[in-house]
Amino acid sequence: IAGITQAPTSQILAAGRRMTLRCTQDMRHNAMYWYRQDLGLGLRLIHYSNTAGTTGKGEVPDGYSVSRANTDDFPLTLASAVPSQTSVYFCASSREVRETQYFGPGTRLLVL
Amino acid sequence: AQSVTQLGSHVSVSEGALVLLRCNYSSSVPPYLFWYVQYPNQGLQLLLKYTTGATLVKGINGFEAEFKKSETSFHLTKPSAHMSDAAEYFCAVISGGYQKVTFGTGTKLQVIP
Repeated sequence: IAGITQAPTSQILAAGRRMTLRCTQDMRHNAMYWYRQDLGLGLRLIHYSNTAGTTGKGEVPDGYSVSRANTDDFPLTLASAVPSQTSVYFCASSREVRETQYFGPGTRLLVL
Repeated sequence: AQSVTQLGSHVSVSEGALVLLRCNYSSSVPPYLFWYVQYPNQGLQLLLKYTTGATLVKGINGFEAEFKKSETSFHLTKPSAHMSDAAEYFCAVISGGYQKVTFGTGTKLQVIP
């Protein structure tokens, strides 16, 4: 089934631990994005990639890193998790930057 | 700079009543505008979008929005609310040389039976 998948669905993580959230799309989209969604703050862009091999910083990049080794995968890594990174994380992709974004189902992360 | 403002974080309407969700944008050049919907425990999905051409855009589930350049608005409407419309709605903008979409903070729609 074409679309965008995220893993894990949810996770409880101890502060200080390293965690990678996975995102894969099979639509051959050039652009991919990571957002966090927090109550009252809407969606905030963490990192983005306009095409394989390139990445850029979004609105709230601190404490997060990404890589885009190929078209399909765009993992998000928390090097040393902190409680303020408790959030719902959404991965999205679009054919090109200015086009419709397709969202994954989200990863709910709790950092204790 | 580009930005988007959604007026009202929560809107309640009775089933069958008009739905009006407000969105104003700021952009120095003609923007692309989007409305997305998020149902509980799901990701966002596109309702409708404006790029160029006709300023009244029709989307899924009976929703429509009108691009009004003079008012810098892109309000979302639906003539008659249904219980299944209860969700959170996000307006988004991308303009000019920007490489990133800016999302509004969302409006949660409650439909009262």
